[in-house]
Amino acid sequence: DAGVTQSPTHLIKTRGQHVTLRCSPISGHKSVSWYQQVLGQGPQFIFQYYEKEERGRGNFPDRFSARQFPNYSSELNVNALLLGDSALYLCASSLGWGQANEKLFFGSGTQLSVL
Amino acid sequence: QQPVQSPQAVILREGEDAVINCSSSKALYSVHWYRQKHGEAPVFLMILLKGGEQKGHEKISASFNEKKQQSSLYLTASQLSYSGTYFCGTENSGNTPLVFGKGTRLSVIA
Repeated sequence: DAGVTQSPTHLIKTRGQHVTLRCSPISGHKSVSWYQQVLGQGPQFIFQYYEKEERGRGNFPDRFSARQFPNYSSELNVNALLLGDSALYLCASSLGWGQANEKLFFGSGTQLSVL
Repeated sequence: QQPVQSPQAVILREGEDAVINCSSSKALYSVHWYRQKHGEAPVFLMILLKGGEQKGHEKISASFNEKKQQSSLYLTASQLSYSGTYFCGTENSGNTPLVFGKGTRLSVIA
């Protein structure tokens, strides 16, 4: 079975531009979470979606938005890019939401560079 | 609330043991442990729930002390393949997102 897939793997943008990152969860998983990982730091929570509804939002500006589609895939959008948005963006899927034993399965991430 | 991990980095020789700690200032509902190798995605190791249970994964085990709001990851007889950055992720309740610590970089040398 395929794991979590993310596209693109690498992206270079300039300040002020917009970017869309995509994620396909493991088959059967209904929850998708997005994390931002800056080099040398742990993943920082951005959003979690379950059954197409937002279930959690981290401390990120409104320039960041996301959505989940009926097939449970997800998009993360970032507007008006800043240099500080340069990071590895990780998508993680899990079977459900709200249970303590929900394991997260991460994709390989999208490396975003903002110049 | 981001959990605090210690140490930040550790270097081991093959066969040596190590302990990585993860603590929180808030009551914990669960603790998750992940390992991330350079250039790769984090990989799930184990989950510990309230109750002070201990779990094992190969020669890697962990404990969860609910009263102290901390968890420890034990790596015994380390192997070269154990090298990577270990992250703990904590949940304060069932419906809160997983919050990760800054990680502990483990290097195992021959």
